[in-house]
Parts: sequence; C-alpha cells; structure tokens
Amino acid sequence: ETGVTQSPTHLIKTRGQQVTLRCSSQSGHNTVSWYQQALGQGPQFIFQYYREEENGRGNFPPRFSGLQFPNYSSELNVNALELDDSALYLCASGDRGHGNTIYFGEGSWLTVV
Amino acid sequence: GESVGLHLPTLSVQEGDNSIINCAYSNSASDYFIWYKQESGKGPQFIIDIRSNMDKRQGQRVTVLLNKTVKHLSLQIAATQPGDSAVYFCAETVQGGKLIFGQGTELSVKP
Repeated sequence: ETGVTQSPTHLIKTRGQQVTLRCSSQSGHNTVSWYQQALGQGPQFIFQYYREEENGRGNFPPRFSGLQFPNYSSELNVNALELDDSALYLCASGDRGHGNTIYFGEGSWLTVV
Repeated sequence: GESVGLHLPTLSVQEGDNSIINCAYSNSASDYFIWYKQESGKGPQFIIDIRSNMDKRQGQRVTVLLNKTVKHLSLQIAATQPGDSAVYFCAETVQGGKLIFGQGTELSVKP
C-alpha cells in the first residue's frame, strides 16, 4: 500500500470531451507527478507539481493541464480528448528532499471512443 | 536525447533460480536509478533504488548493480518465486523527481 489513491479507476469518454482525474498523495510528500502509460509501454512523464506550481513538463500538448491543492491532492485535466489519449494515467507522489522516494497509485484507466 | 532502455523484453526462469534483468541508460546526470515492478492492472511498485555514487545496493532478495562506465543497470532477484512474475521497469530520476522509464522486461516464473 503506497498511500497514493486515484479516482476514478476506470472511465470511458467520447472523443472531444474533457476529463478530470484525481489523486491524493501520500502523507508528507510535497510533489505530485502525472504519467501516461500506453499499453505495453513504460510510463511517460506528463508534468510535476511542487508547492502548487508546475515544476517540469514532458512532451505533452497544453490540453493536458493540472492542479495541485494545499493538501497535496492533485488533478489532471485533459481537454479535447483524442483516441490516442486512451491509456493508464498514473499519479506519483514524492518528497523533494529525497529524490528517490517516488510512489505510484494504481492508476486511472481512460478509454476514449 | 535522454533514454533508458532494456536489453530483453521477456525473461522466463524456473522457480528457485536467480533472475537478472538488465537496463541501459544514456543520461550521465541522473541522481538515482530505480527499479519498479508492475503487475497486471496495477501501478508500478517501488522495489529498490541506487544513488549515482554507488555501485551496488542490496535489499530483501534483490540486488541492484550500477556500472557508470558503460551506463548499465541490473536487477538481480534471488530464488525467484511465482509472485515475482510481472513487468519490471528501470527508471532514472532527473531534475528533482522526473522519472524516465524504459520499455520494461516481462519476467515469467515457471513452477
């Protein structure tokens, strides 16, 4: 049990719609990162939040956005969904003072039809 | 560009044997290297990590070796068990927490 919880676990959306995924970080962790994992691939870094500000972003378009709240929970928002956005979305929390302690939630499976 | 890759996509071992999973990386500036285990339908589970200034680190039944000269990382699992069957990813951390993952190696343990 990592202490990182994500919701919803599964959802289906239609192309063009918007989706919000949520994450609750492990207690004491001050960074939240989001990753996209396509089937059969390794997770790809989307962005990281630290102290409620974006602190690093991967190669994802602006329609991928996020928020981090004071209680270190986080949201991933994806607008104008495309079929290729179908993937497992993973939230990971860490402690900025200890760069190796990065723990993942179980993920949210998004299917875009 | 930055990349972390794995030499073998699949590995099949007999229960009780030792397993070795290999990984190559390209970014010399990484602070930590981490091994994750991912079971079907679940998120990656932290196994063990190693700092860039170390060569070897041991955990419970697992050992990670780091060879910075050839930019190579390996995970050794002793006395492999059926519960070890999963996909294993190596990852490197850069810039305070961003993880770069490889493609993964699927470990299959035969009883």
